[in-house]
Amino acid sequence: NTKITQSPRYLILGRANKSLECEQHLGHNAMYWYKQSAEKPPELMFLYNLKQLIRNETVPSRFIPECPDSSKLLLHISAVDPEDSAVYFCASSAGTGKDNQAPLFGEGTRLSVL
Amino acid sequence: QQKVQQSPESLTVSEGAMASLNCTFSDGTSDNFRWYRQHSGKGLEMLVSIFSDGEKEEGRFTAHLNRASLHVSLHIREPQPSDSAVYLCAVSTTSGSWQLIFGSGTQLTVMP
Repeated sequence: NTKITQSPRYLILGRANKSLECEQHLGHNAMYWYKQSAEKPPELMFLYNLKQLIRNETVPSRFIPECPDSSKLLLHISAVDPEDSAVYFCASSAGTGKDNQAPLFGEGTRLSVL
Repeated sequence: QQKVQQSPESLTVSEGAMASLNCTFSDGTSDNFRWYRQHSGKGLEMLVSIFSDGEKEEGRFTAHLNRASLHVSLHIREPQPSDSAVYLCAVSTTSGSWQLIFGSGTQLTVMP
């Protein structure tokens, strides 16, 4: 899927700070960050709908999302922890209503924490 | 808290034979059901959405929903080796949480 681009695709870090980026040019109003740990299904971390943030309260505070404009989504991670090793998927959808909610997923950023 | 469970964990079928995957959910007010596919190392590809009881067909993929039984299934007609992937069921409740809850997936292998 090249409609949603994520960068970088692969990331290997020690205890450092890093930002993941996502961009979509689909005119979608909702953008999401999902985390998929090994052998597990994706779990929603954050949702921006019309630039309003809805947070999954179980996500550690070292993860900070940012939505600088309607087509771009960032995920800032400070002092990564080994448990953060996972694939981080960006997704977007036209809206969050039933008929236009189907999120379209990017290819993901594979984060490995040493 | 919504619980979504899929069965079987893994399924092997021969090319051309029907593949059937199952998903149960715990919240009877759920009204938004989607099946996704994930090839190894890739992102998620949505296959079919269904919002009301009955069936919904998208090409070779057919979803069946029975909300009273808390059950949604996916049937793949004439599967091919390229359909080998993990299939994920996702459920949400429009009037409540905005969040799609995913099942743990079924690994489908299609043998030539």
